[in-house]
Amino acid sequence: EAQVTQNPRYLITVTGKKLTVTCSQNMNHEYMSWYRQDPGLGLRQIYYSMNVEVTDKGDVPEGYKVSRKEKRNFPLILESPSPNQTSLYFCASSLFGRTDTQYFGPGTRLTVL
Amino acid sequence: AQSVTQLDSHVSVSEGTPVLLRCNYSSSYSPSLFWYVQHPNKGLQLLLKYTSAATLVKGINGFEAEFKKSETSFHLTKPSAHMSDAAEYFCVVSDSNFGNEKLTFGTGTRLTIIP
Repeated sequence: EAQVTQNPRYLITVTGKKLTVTCSQNMNHEYMSWYRQDPGLGLRQIYYSMNVEVTDKGDVPEGYKVSRKEKRNFPLILESPSPNQTSLYFCASSLFGRTDTQYFGPGTRLTVL
Repeated sequence: AQSVTQLDSHVSVSEGTPVLLRCNYSSSYSPSLFWYVQHPNKGLQLLLKYTSAATLVKGINGFEAEFKKSETSFHLTKPSAHMSDAAEYFCVVSDSNFGNEKLTFGTGTRLTIIP
């Protein structure tokens, strides 16, 4: 089944403890991206990647890192999480880029205490 | 710079009546525009998209949207609402300039269907 998977689905952590949220797609998509969803703010793009080793900032990249060492994987790294990063995170992928249909993962709910 | 404004945070309609969800955009270049839907506790799904072809775009589940450049609008409509349409809807814009691969989402419109 074609899908985007994220792990973990739920995470509660403490300020400053490094964490990684994984994202994987099995559709051989070139474009992958991360979003955070907050009430009243919609989805905001954190980072995106056009291909392996090619990443770029979205609208809210501060406090986040990403890497794209393999085509199928696009992990989101929080080196030193803070409470204002408590949010619902979505990974998405598309065949070539922004004008193609974005396929979203199920979401990761992160709470930083 | 690209931006998008969804004019209503919440819309309520009765089952069987028309749906109108409003979206205005700002774009320095020819925009690509999208509507995505998010059902409760689910990821997002594409409803329809405009990428410089026909200005009236038809999507899934009976939804359609019209690109109006003069009004910088991309409103989403459906002739007759169904209970299963209850969800949150996001309008999305992306400038079609070389090198830009960002997507900008609106803040969302929650659609409630009254039985």
